[in-house]
Amino acid sequence: AAGVIQSPRHLIKEKRETATLKCYPIPRHDTVYWYQQGPGQDPQFLISFYEKMQSDKGSIPDRFSAQQFSDYHSELNMSSLELGDSALYFCASRSQGITEAFFGQGTRLTVV
Amino acid sequence: QQPVQSPQAVILREGEDAVINCSSSKALYSVHWYRQKHGEAPVFLMILLKGGEQKGHEKISASFNEKKQQSSLYLTASQLSYSGTYFCGTDHTGTASKLTFGTGTRLQVTL
Repeated sequence: AAGVIQSPRHLIKEKRETATLKCYPIPRHDTVYWYQQGPGQDPQFLISFYEKMQSDKGSIPDRFSAQQFSDYHSELNMSSLELGDSALYFCASRSQGITEAFFGQGTRLTVV
Repeated sequence: QQPVQSPQAVILREGEDAVINCSSSKALYSVHWYRQKHGEAPVFLMILLKGGEQKGHEKISASFNEKKQQSSLYLTASQLSYSGTYFCGTDHTGTASKLTFGTGTRLQVTL
């Protein structure tokens, strides 16, 4: 069965650089979530999309932006990277209604 | 507000039982339970909906107390594979447009 695909799996960037993380949800899933998880921390909600529109927003820095495209894939753009942005970034998707969210394997971002 | 989980950590011997609690300060529409192993993605366990019944399968079950804004996850006859960090994800919107994860409970099952 198809799962949520995230790319890249690992990314190393220098401070003040930009990064783009991609998420390809499970086919026919119309909701995408983005989470940031620091070492030993719980996943922190960043932003979500439903049918290509932003549906909710969490603790996402102004330096970050995200969008969902017509094919339902989503991208998280991160600019002016800081050391504190180093974390595991998860994308999750689900279908309509109160259904389970499936998580991708995550992108490990390291800012040096 | 982030839901609070208790206990923060628990160590069990194989075959023992455990209860993990999730408390919210806001009204809950649904609670989603996940287990995460180190460095891996969270894996879905179950959803409890407002007005729903206690759910469970095999040795893992959960309850949802709307009035107390709490949910509990019950692990019976624990197995080594149950080790990991358990998170509750709470939905306060009724649409699950945002799942707020709890503080996590680290569970270790030993021989």
